[in-house]
Amino acid sequence: EPEVTQTPSHQVTQMGQEVILRCVPISNHLYFYWYRQILGQKVEFLVSFYNNEISEKSEIFDDQFSVERPDGSNFTLKIRSTKLEDSAMYFCASSVAGFPGNTIYFGEGSWLTVV
Amino acid sequence: AQSVTQLDSHVSVSEGTPVLLRCNYSSSYSPSLFWYVQHPNKGLQLLLKYTSAATLVKGINGFEAEFKKSETSFHLTKPSAHMSDAAEYFCVVTWMDSSYKLIFGSGTRLLVRP
Repeated sequence: EPEVTQTPSHQVTQMGQEVILRCVPISNHLYFYWYRQILGQKVEFLVSFYNNEISEKSEIFDDQFSVERPDGSNFTLKIRSTKLEDSAMYFCASSVAGFPGNTIYFGEGSWLTVV
Repeated sequence: AQSVTQLDSHVSVSEGTPVLLRCNYSSSYSPSLFWYVQHPNKGLQLLLKYTSAATLVKGINGFEAEFKKSETSFHLTKPSAHMSDAAEYFCVVTWMDSSYKLIFGSGTRLLVRP
């Protein structure tokens, strides 16, 4: 079964460093997402992306965050200058279409630890 | 703000007994409802979804959920728990007016005793 893959599975970085989390969505999917889960908290929406632009973002997704689809297969989340509170599990997801109720498929997540 | 509430943070059952994981959502027009499961060190896997068709939805691994509009609930059930069901379960909602954003519940950790 096709799946969303994410790398790295775990990354430790120093505060202030830039981090790039990578994702390969399912190949025929057109909508891409990032969610995150801080330890002990709910999974939260960060951003959705379609047709090479952000379609929606949450208040969490400030200027420190950016997303990019640099080629036909990868979808990346960049955090420019990491803070301690950015430590979380980051989930990439994708879907064929974007309407509410369409199934969104998630990757296994990337654990980011900022020290 | 629209929200979803999972009433139990932990549920413990014996193997072979029924499972009930409770979920309520804030009322709004045409919700779409999902249950996702997360096993340790794994991603979020879709168990089942409701999108305005039949109110009783069957999913994978013997799970099912019933959409009850009058109670704004979407509880997840399974007649007989298996050890492999031990995981974290998330009730997830989206609405027509919330674009494509999923709203997650806080999760219920299911423990299955032998």
